[in-house]
Amino acid sequence: GAVVSQHPSWVICKSGTSVKIECRSLDFQATTMFWYRQFPKQSLMLMATSNEGSKATYEQGVEKDKFLINHASLTLSTLTVTSAHPEDSSFYICSARNRDKGTYEQYFGPGTRLTVT
Amino acid sequence: AQTVTQSQPEMSVQEAETVTLSCTYDTSENNYYLFWYKQPPSRQMILVIRQEAYKQQNATENRFSVNFQKAAKSFSLKISDSQLGDTAMYFCAFMKHVGHSTLTFGKGTMLLVSP
Repeated sequence: GAVVSQHPSWVICKSGTSVKIECRSLDFQATTMFWYRQFPKQSLMLMATSNEGSKATYEQGVEKDKFLINHASLTLSTLTVTSAHPEDSSFYICSARNRDKGTYEQYFGPGTRLTVT
Repeated sequence: AQTVTQSQPEMSVQEAETVTLSCTYDTSENNYYLFWYKQPPSRQMILVIRQEAYKQQNATENRFSVNFQKAAKSFSLKISDSQLGDTAMYFCAFMKHVGHSTLTFGKGTMLLVSP
């Protein structure tokens, strides 16, 4: 149980285009979902926190108009990178908190590698 | 704000040996959680072990155990009988014991287990 999926696992897009990454909790309902960015050999940087049905809370320095987050249901959150540029190339990881498991159980997706050419 | 420090960027150990990864943190909170996550080459984050600050007993999960020293704000991970599959990046993380808290990660320690 407690599986989080991400789609796609790898995407290449051209500079100036937008790309959407989906994060799904497959066997539980997620009250909160988190989006992280990870550069090679570095730690995870929290980008934003989203609760179902409400606007995402972005971390300082993260452009909310560039990284659009939608948490439409208790099992789905999407991250859209708008007008992507090569510096947006990174590994994006989502995680989800199980509504029924208390405040600390957090499960991670397998990540999405974004390459902007 | 909370900070998590992992002072060992890289560690290596031979198979079947024991290794300890260090983690210190800084917080003014009294109730919190501490975690060790493993990120193997697949990059899937895997929870290794969790410690609740109000529990004095150190958490253990099979070959993995922690040494939690609350006063010293130290949370080290001991891996016994190391296996090749333990090769991974290990992240120490902190979370406050309140609703809607977020994880604060350390910079990670790359552990290489060699035959």
